[in-house]
Amino acid sequence: AQSVTQLDSQVPVFEEAPVELRCNYSSSVSVYLFWYVQYPNQGLQLLLKYLSGSTLVKGINGFEAEFNKSQTSFHLRKPSVHISDTAEYFCAVSRRGGSNYKLTFGKGTLLTVNP
Amino acid sequence: EAGVAQSPRYKIIEKRQSVAFWCNPISGHATLYWYQQILGQGPKLLIQFQNNGVVDDSQLPKDRFSAERLKGVDSTLKIQPAKLEDSAVYLCASSLGGLAGAPNEQFFGPGTRLTVL
Repeated sequence: AQSVTQLDSQVPVFEEAPVELRCNYSSSVSVYLFWYVQYPNQGLQLLLKYLSGSTLVKGINGFEAEFNKSQTSFHLRKPSVHISDTAEYFCAVSRRGGSNYKLTFGKGTLLTVNP
Repeated sequence: EAGVAQSPRYKIIEKRQSVAFWCNPISGHATLYWYQQILGQGPKLLIQFQNNGVVDDSQLPKDRFSAERLKGVDSTLKIQPAKLEDSAVYLCASSLGGLAGAPNEQFFGPGTRLTVL
């Protein structure tokens, strides 16, 4: 089975500051990794995913994440945040080699960008 | 391209009542998922369909929850009878259906917020 730990439940930052949202996972098998964003009263939207290849993955809205196999981490970063980035962010994993690509989510990190 | 549609958006019921949620996935998507998102937690998969067959329902409380996707398109999720702890947002997602060796992106609907009093 897989599990995901998002180390911070809330992250407040000021506009134009850099931000890092931390994610660690646990799995006995290789995994795919994802970050989703959820704006208030909306469904989840995929930000980026790591399937294979380069460990630095770039996504939408200027976000990027780095897969670190030895640390079992997949932290999300943005060099300069905007007010509009205020949302809940979820890290998720899916088992490699399976046939149903079931997603296991972390509990989420609420990013609040203040002016 | 139209997204995943869900209805109703909000529902308030008394405990022991029954409730049903509806989902219409993106056209052509073979795989459909129902997730339960309790406040303060990440979504948890309840059931996954591939066309009209169940792929995974290991976390579905089958004594009270049921789901169907009869024609491989729309799906309904039912709770009967509801308990207080069923208060959550129920999210529907769909994907093309995984190609061998690579997961397809899951597209999520806006969810149905259920409150059980």
